[in-house]
Amino acid sequence: AQSVTQLGSHVSVSEGALVLLRCNYSSSVPPYLFWYVQYPNQGLQLLLKYTTGATLVKGINGFEAEFKKSETSFHLTKPSAHMSDAAEYFCADSGSARQLTFGSGTQLTVLP
Amino acid sequence: DAMVIQNPRYQVTQFGKPVTLSCSQTLNHNVMYWYQQKSSQAPKLLFHYYDKDFNNEADTPDNFQSRRPNTSFCFLDIRSPGLGDAAMYLCATSRVGDEQYFGPGTRLTVT
Repeated sequence: AQSVTQLGSHVSVSEGALVLLRCNYSSSVPPYLFWYVQYPNQGLQLLLKYTTGATLVKGINGFEAEFKKSETSFHLTKPSAHMSDAAEYFCADSGSARQLTFGSGTQLTVLP
Repeated sequence: DAMVIQNPRYQVTQFGKPVTLSCSQTLNHNVMYWYQQKSSQAPKLLFHYYDKDFNNEADTPDNFQSRRPNTSFCFLDIRSPGLGDAAMYLCATSRVGDEQYFGPGTRLTVT
């Protein structure tokens, strides 16, 4: 069975600072990994995904993530935080299944 | 734009009064999902359809039912809502094995 762990339920950064949201997966099959963002009272929006190929994945809004098989990690980064980045972020793995296994989420706060 | 639409965005119902939430999609995806999301938690899968093939999660209460009359539409029926069913309900669609596209959600309040 697969599982996804997000370290840090709350992360605060200053505007302009580096954003780093951590995600580790545990899967017995090659993972299909996703990062979603959720703004208040909205659905989830896909930021980026890793399936196969290049391990550095670029997404929308300046976010990127690096797949590291040796560390079973898929951390999300953004060089410079913007106030509009404040939201809940979910890492997820679908593996070979049709279903997503979500991490517990990380609430990102951006301080002025 | 192709999208996933959920109606209504906000629904208030009384304890025990049946309620139906709807989802439609213009993406022509063959898989549709219903999730329940409570405050500060990850979405929890209730069930999904692969075409007309219905798949119920083992821990989804019997109080929750779903219908998919055609490719574009899917409904979530809550037969007797309790206070614990107050949540955001998210619909999503996908092609098999591909990323899921989420609707904006319906926030259900039970009074």
